[in-house]
Amino acid sequence: DSGVTQTPKHLITATGQRVTLRCSPRSGDLSVYWYQQSLDQGLQFLIQYYNGEERAKGNILERFSAQQFPDLHSELNLSSLELGDSALYFCASSSTGTSGVNEQFFGPGTRLTVL
Amino acid sequence: AQSVTQLGSHVSVSEGALVLLRCNYSSSVPPYLFWYVQYPNQGLQLLLKYTSAATLVKGINGFEAEFKKSETSFHLTKPSAHMSDAAEYFCAVSQSEKLVFGKGMKLTVNP
Repeated sequence: DSGVTQTPKHLITATGQRVTLRCSPRSGDLSVYWYQQSLDQGLQFLIQYYNGEERAKGNILERFSAQQFPDLHSELNLSSLELGDSALYFCASSSTGTSGVNEQFFGPGTRLTVL
Repeated sequence: AQSVTQLGSHVSVSEGALVLLRCNYSSSVPPYLFWYVQYPNQGLQLLLKYTSAATLVKGINGFEAEFKKSETSFHLTKPSAHMSDAAEYFCAVSQSEKLVFGKGMKLTVNP
């Protein structure tokens, strides 16, 4: 158990809909990262928040957004969903903003299926 | 930009045999390198990390990796495979605030 929790575990929805994925980092970790894992793209970094502020952005679509709240939990919002958004979405946390120094601890993921 | 390459997608070994999973990196600066393991239907778990302290890095579950600058490699090894090692293994390099992952290698262990 990494100490990172993600809800829900599974999500099935229809095209055009909007969903919210939730992540609670390990106790004391200030950084939250979101990754998408799909068969064709592999593991792709989406976005990072550090202590409530956006720190880095990766291959995140404009239809996707995220935020980190004062209690440090984070939410990833996916809107106007398309079939290609079906994937496993991971949240990770680390104690600082620089992944090179501190490893990232991954949650169990949310499996999103868009029908 | 930094990147890692894991050639192939699947490797199969017999129980008790050597496990060797290859990873080559591309980086213009000394890299921080990681190996993660993903068991079926689970998240990623850190096996080991290289942060320039020592070239031979020992990790959990009997795995180790050696950083070779001359070969730009960070291959993962385990002397004797166990059935419980069956999983997918990802090599990753740190690039600024994010991890850049290889495509992963699925390890099958045959009895």
